[in-house]
Amino acid sequence: NAGVTQTPKFRVLKTGQSMTLLCAQDMNHEYMYWYRQDPGMGLRLIHYSVGEGTTAKGEVPDGYNVSRLKKQNFLLGLESAAPSQTSVYFCASKPLRAGGRETQYFGPGTRLLVL
Amino acid sequence: AQTVTQSQPEMSVQEAETVTLSCTYDTSESDYYLFWYKQPPSRQMILVIRQEAYKQQNATENRFSVNFQKAAKSFSLKISDSQLGDAAMYFCAYRSVGYGGSQGNLIFGKGTKLSVKP
Repeated sequence: NAGVTQTPKFRVLKTGQSMTLLCAQDMNHEYMYWYRQDPGMGLRLIHYSVGEGTTAKGEVPDGYNVSRLKKQNFLLGLESAAPSQTSVYFCASKPLRAGGRETQYFGPGTRLLVL
Repeated sequence: AQTVTQSQPEMSVQEAETVTLSCTYDTSESDYYLFWYKQPPSRQMILVIRQEAYKQQNATENRFSVNFQKAAKSFSLKISDSQLGDAAMYFCAYRSVGYGGSQGNLIFGKGTKLSVKP
């Protein structure tokens, strides 16, 4: 049981390049999330998904796209990377309900540097 | 919209001493969940403790306890007998009760960096 995994762990991009971050979870969770963490800003929600084939915008969705073609995977895409997207990206997942006490399970993070 | 405020960007505590981290939130909802997450230098987000708003009793997990003041919308974290391994960023988070749409989303404060002095 690997929990939530993220690929890659670290990436350097040039401005204008594109890339996809992969999040995978093996806990059969319905909900999945993508956050970004910047110094002094806490974690801010980019996009989330409440189930396979569904996605929704979070607090800071501009410049990102997501897809949830399979229940266990949640992809975050940057079509044209900008230096403002330099950040640490976290994926998380959560079951639909687990006695009402469920919390989110986080991946280890992906550090992205855009030059 | 709900907001979470952590007014202490940094805190320091002596090993074996007690420290309290502050968190306030704003909401018009009557039922919700509150969480404290720990983020050590490894960056892994670790759940420390959770509190259901309908419960008056403060949650406790070993050396970690909370002081939940619903009327004041305050949710502080007390760490007793601080250890070097407690050094980390601590995030307070709020979540609405419910399972539809965005209701399960976490709203985070900006974090408090805790240093533990030997």
